[in-house]
Amino acid sequence: QSALTQPASVSGSPGQSITISCTGTSSDVGGYNYVSWYQQHPGKAPKLMIYDVSNRPSGVSNRFSGSKSGNTASLTISGLQAEDEADYYCSSYTSSSTLNWVFGGGTKLTVL
Amino acid sequence: EVQLVQSGAEVKKPGESLKISCKGSGYSFTSYWIGWVRQMPGKGLEWMGIIYPGDSDTRYSPSFQGQVTISADKSISTAYLQWSSLKASDTAMYYCARLGGDTALPYWGQGTLVTVSS
Repeated sequence: QSALTQPASVSGSPGQSITISCTGTSSDVGGYNYVSWYQQHPGKAPKLMIYDVSNRPSGVSNRFSGSKSGNTASLTISGLQAEDEADYYCSSYTSSSTLNWVFGGGTKLTVL
Repeated sequence: EVQLVQSGAEVKKPGESLKISCKGSGYSFTSYWIGWVRQMPGKGLEWMGIIYPGDSDTRYSPSFQGQVTISADKSISTAYLQWSSLKASDTAMYYCARLGGDTALPYWGQGTLVTVSS
């Protein structure tokens, strides 16, 4: 069961926008609209930021948005703030495993 | 309010057994899947397995099949992750998390740090 592919790191300045990609296959990202994104600050549990590709849970800032094209999902953060500096993980439903779920390798976002 | 409260940190020796827990409250425990996620030091999140407490349907990631056992006791709204013989490579933070709508994990426990060292 291969992890979804994310860039190891991205960076941006306060106020800018950044996008984190999450590439899979037609058996996961491309085949289902069940991509979710999680934010994790050091020493903390992950927090759900986006579910079902583009939906935000209650309480999550509208600066966070999600999309998908083919086998690649994306998380965009607009108006970057210092508090957005964290690790971000995508996850997708998959038909290629007995577990049916897979994470990406994670992306470290640095706010310059 | 949905809460998942995990058992405390553990320090064990290689070869020892261990069972950690995750107690759910604020929702119908038997109606939602609960998953276990491993995070090794400085590394990413890994799905280990998932259980539906209503009927104990359990699924494992191929990487963890046969290495751990996931179970649940619905009478006390608690899910478990256990090892029969720990290895140093099992040193990690372990999170339980509840599926919401069967497509994402909106609720997470605080994590249980397991350290295996001789």
